Amino acid sequence: GQNIDQPTEMTATEGAIVQINCTYQTSGFNGLFWYQQHAGEAPTFLSYNVLDGLEEKGRFSSFLSRSKGYSYLLLKELQMKDSASYLCAVKGSARQLTFGSGTQLTVLP
Amino acid sequence: EAGVTQSPTHLIKTRGQQATLRCSPISGHTSVYWYQQALGLGLQFLLWYDEGEERNRGNFPPRFSGRQFPNYSSELNVNALELEDSALYLCASSLADPISGANVLTFGAGSRLTVL
Repeated sequence: GQNIDQPTEMTATEGAIVQINCTYQTSGFNGLFWYQQHAGEAPTFLSYNVLDGLEEKGRFSSFLSRSKGYSYLLLKELQMKDSASYLCAVKGSARQLTFGSGTQLTVLP
Repeated sequence: EAGVTQSPTHLIKTRGQQATLRCSPISGHTSVYWYQQALGLGLQFLLWYDEGEERNRGNFPPRFSGRQFPNYSSELNVNALELEDSALYLCASSLADPISGANVLTFGAGSRLTVL
């Protein structure tokens, strides 16, 4: 089976940097995804990691350590519009994505 | 390019009734996934269809079923509705799934089912 853990809530200030952690246990590993979901909207794809290391995409970066079963999403220069739920998801041997419960990020002015 | 479309947006049913939710994938996508998102919970995997076949299902009772049509659209049926079935049902589509690789799911806006 698969188990994915991430913090339930985080709060940060506009302009700051925040790191959202995700730990996972999975049968087989075929990649880790991060999605963003604003309230009442569909989740949208942010990043994908399959090899160890850091993937950078603008203000967002994602890191993966397969040996530790660990990933983080780093958000820089926070903006109010970044207030959303951030979902960590793993593709295991079953090939569909298994999602964590999500981290609700609140950005304060 | 049109995204993933779902209908209806909202649906209200009573306990014991049946609900049917529909999903049209992005043109060219052959895989369709259904997820349940109950209030305050994460996305729970329900069903995966590809090329008209059910490829995998999550840990849900048999009263959750579905199918995929030749045009790759899909419907989810929930029979004998229970109060705890109240949730947002999200459909996602993707290109045919390789065993590895960034096969990104694109989600629809969801159908909110309320069971009274």
